[in-house]
Amino acid sequence: AQSVTQLGSHVSVSEGALVLLRCNYSSSVPPYLFWYVQYPNQGLQLLLKYTSAATLVKGINGFEAEFKKSETSFHLTKPSAHMSDAAEYFCAVSEPTGGSYIPTFGRGTSLIVHP
Amino acid sequence: DTEVTQTPKHLVMGMTNKKSLKCEQHMGHRAMYWYKQKAKKPPELMFVYSYEKLSINESVPSRFSPECPNSSLLNLHLHALQPEDSALYLCASSHSSGGAGADTQYFGPGTRLTVL
Repeated sequence: AQSVTQLGSHVSVSEGALVLLRCNYSSSVPPYLFWYVQYPNQGLQLLLKYTSAATLVKGINGFEAEFKKSETSFHLTKPSAHMSDAAEYFCAVSEPTGGSYIPTFGRGTSLIVHP
Repeated sequence: DTEVTQTPKHLVMGMTNKKSLKCEQHMGHRAMYWYKQKAKKPPELMFVYSYEKLSINESVPSRFSPECPNSSLLNLHLHALQPEDSALYLCASSHSSGGAGADTQYFGPGTRLTVL
């Protein structure tokens, strides 16, 4: 079965600093990979997804992620953190389950942004 | 309209109560999902409906009973719940659940359930 590992349950950055959230996947076939964000007391919202079209994927709110097959990674980055980026971030891989493609979520990384 | 709505936002119920959670989408999506999410944890899949038919049941206890009356609506009927069932219940929808691994799931805001 495919899975994702998110390194670090918490990441703390200063406002204006680079954001780097790590995600590694395990898969024997090219995966579909996603990053979702969850703000407090809300549902999940898609930030971006990798579908094998381009290795560098740009998403909403200035986030981007690069698919690196050699490293089995799909890390999420943003050049300059804003206070409003504080949230829970989930990496997910989509795998076929009983004929359906169901996303499997990582454990999540909580992004803390200091003024 | 890219919104999934869920009602109620909050629900407090006793262990002998019967209640229902409701989810609605008008994006023409043919796959709908129920997830359970505990605090600081990822969502756990409970059920998947594909074209109004239950396609996946992740060994969820029978005190949770899903229903999909039509392609826009998804209900979760609750009966005789336990305190450990307290969680955020998320509904999601996607274009389809089969053969489209890159489908984006659109999530509702969730229902915060507390079982006393």
